[in-house]
Amino acid sequence: GAGVSQTPSNKVTEKGKYVELRCDPISGHTALYWYRQSLGQGPEFLIYFQGTGAADDSGLPNDRFFAVRPEGSVSTLKIQRTERGDSAVYLCASETSSGGNEQFFGPGTRLTVL
Amino acid sequence: QKEVEQNSGPLSVPEGAIASLNCTYSDRGSQSFFWYRQYSGKSPELIMSIYSNGDKEDGRFTAQLNKASQYVSLLIRDSQPSDSATYLCAVNRSGYSTLTFGKGTMLLVSP
Repeated sequence: GAGVSQTPSNKVTEKGKYVELRCDPISGHTALYWYRQSLGQGPEFLIYFQGTGAADDSGLPNDRFFAVRPEGSVSTLKIQRTERGDSAVYLCASETSSGGNEQFFGPGTRLTVL
Repeated sequence: QKEVEQNSGPLSVPEGAIASLNCTYSDRGSQSFFWYRQYSGKSPELIMSIYSNGDKEDGRFTAQLNKASQYVSLLIRDSQPSDSATYLCAVNRSGYSTLTFGKGTMLLVSP
């Protein structure tokens, strides 16, 4: 079946601009996670959705970052007033509802802030 | 102490050898443990999960967990050049649904 999809695959923007990154999870997966990965590092947690609600947003670095999942499927990560330090690969993962906490990642969006 | 620690490598092994990748974690209450493989420029791919002490085998891969020592390892038998990648250890800490990742170990398998 189809895996997790993310769009765009690459996004180049200028400092101060607003960006939206989209994640479409595996069909039927109720849990959705956003991570951020910088070069040479492991993914770092940003926010976790169970259904439509954000169950844990403790990883969001500041209030410029926000994410929604209005219908419990597709999620959008929104970054306002982008900074050069926001440049990274943004990864989305979804988790099977049968338990086990196995998370499956999408291909990621590489964000470059100039 | 970092929550999940891995040797960054690179770990170099010849084709056909056993590659041993190690990971330690700090939260003694951690419940679930995962190994992901990440090729350069690609996203992490789940290859093994382990939840209880002991060994779990899947093809050429064996995951080993020792909760008393807070240690999890991944063995790759008959290593192939296509196994060359960064291997990420991830831990599900107690009380959290999210995963905490190590920085990864780069494995290089030479023909």
